[in-house]
Amino acid sequence: NAGVTQTPKFRVLKTGQSMTLLCAQDMNHEYMYWYRQDPGMGLRLIHYSVGEGTTAKGEVPDGYNVSRLKKQNFLLGLESAAPSQTSVYFCASSSGLAHTDTQYFGPGTRLTVL
Amino acid sequence: ILNVEQSPQSLHVQEGDSTNFTCSFPSSNFYALHWYRWETAKSPEALFVMTLNGDEKKKGRISATLNTKEGYSYLYIKGSQPEDSATYLCASRMDSSYKLIFGSGTRLLVRP
Repeated sequence: NAGVTQTPKFRVLKTGQSMTLLCAQDMNHEYMYWYRQDPGMGLRLIHYSVGEGTTAKGEVPDGYNVSRLKKQNFLLGLESAAPSQTSVYFCASSSGLAHTDTQYFGPGTRLTVL
Repeated sequence: ILNVEQSPQSLHVQEGDSTNFTCSFPSSNFYALHWYRWETAKSPEALFVMTLNGDEKKKGRISATLNTKEGYSYLYIKGSQPEDSATYLCASRMDSSYKLIFGSGTRLLVRP
């Protein structure tokens, strides 16, 4: 039982390049989330999904797209990377079964955009 | 955007000291309050989830209280140990969508 995994762990991009971050969970969770974490700030929600085939915008969605084609995977895409997207990205998942639903986090992806 | 505030931002204590820190959140439309422990180079791990006013939760030397009417939660660590060094995050759920609003965390360093 690996929990929540993220690939890659590190990546350096040039401005304008594109990339996809993959999040996978093996807990059969319905809900999945993408956050970014910047110095001095809390985790900010980029996009989330409440089930396979559904996605919704979070607090800071601009410049990102997501897809949830399979229940266990949640992909975060950057079509044209900008230096402002330099950050640590965390994926999380939760069962969505109760108000006390706990989110389980992946190890993070550190992205630098030059 | 409704803010979740944590104080202090950072805290240095000596091994054996007891310590506490605060999470403030909007008291309207409250659903649940989460505490997470986040060690450097690891992922955040859930400590507590609390929903009811007056709730108290305890795990070993760590405990938390909740006041939903005034919108705050305290996290207490009794007899801090170096392994307690981490960032402690709180997050509030304020609607039925399961989205969490996170505070920026309190970074705790326990000196041996």
